[in-house]
Amino acid sequence: NAGVTQTPKFRILKIGQSMTLQCTQDMNHNYMYWYRQDPGMGLKLIYYSVGAGITDKGEVPNGYNVSRSTTEDFPLRLELAAPSQTSVYFCASSLQGWEQHFGDGTRLSIL
Amino acid sequence: DQQVKQNSPSLSVQEGRISILNCDYTNSMFDYFLWYKKYPAEGPTFLISISSIKDKNEDGRFTVFLNKSAKHLSLHIVPSQPGDSAVYFCAASVLTGANSKLTFGKGITLSVRP
Repeated sequence: NAGVTQTPKFRILKIGQSMTLQCTQDMNHNYMYWYRQDPGMGLKLIYYSVGAGITDKGEVPNGYNVSRSTTEDFPLRLELAAPSQTSVYFCASSLQGWEQHFGDGTRLSIL
Repeated sequence: DQQVKQNSPSLSVQEGRISILNCDYTNSMFDYFLWYKKYPAEGPTFLISISSIKDKNEDGRFTVFLNKSAKHLSLHIVPSQPGDSAVYFCAASVLTGANSKLTFGKGITLSVRP
């Protein structure tokens, strides 16, 4: 039972490069979320989705984009990487929206 | 504007004793509260939750208490074990909200000494 799977686990990007963080879940959850966690801080919501084809902005959406073409997948896109986007990114899914299941995170450094 | 505050960044307790982790919130619309536990290099895992219609919820060694008038909740771990050493996040939500979003605190690092 894989749960929520995030790839890659680690990545180093140069300023201005783009990349997609992948997230897939096998629990048939409608709700999916992307968070970032900066050192010493809590998790801040970037984007979320309440079902395939539906996405909405969270607290810190600038510099990111998402899509939700299937129930299982919720990729996060960084178009022009900036040093301020250095963080640990967590994807989560939920049946009801509150008790969320998290992946193990992607540690992203932008130099 | 921090709506969920965990003011103590760390807590150290002796194995077998009680751990009390505190959390305060400012948004009076919050009516559902959760605690998550996080080990290094892993994602957070759900631990326990409480709705605002209750003042206590218990699950094994873990009990969450809610004081709505003080906008305060606490997580009690009794007895504490070395495996409980982790970062604990408090989170809050509006249960009837259409979007089911969670607002997280900064977390408390719990160390349980053998």
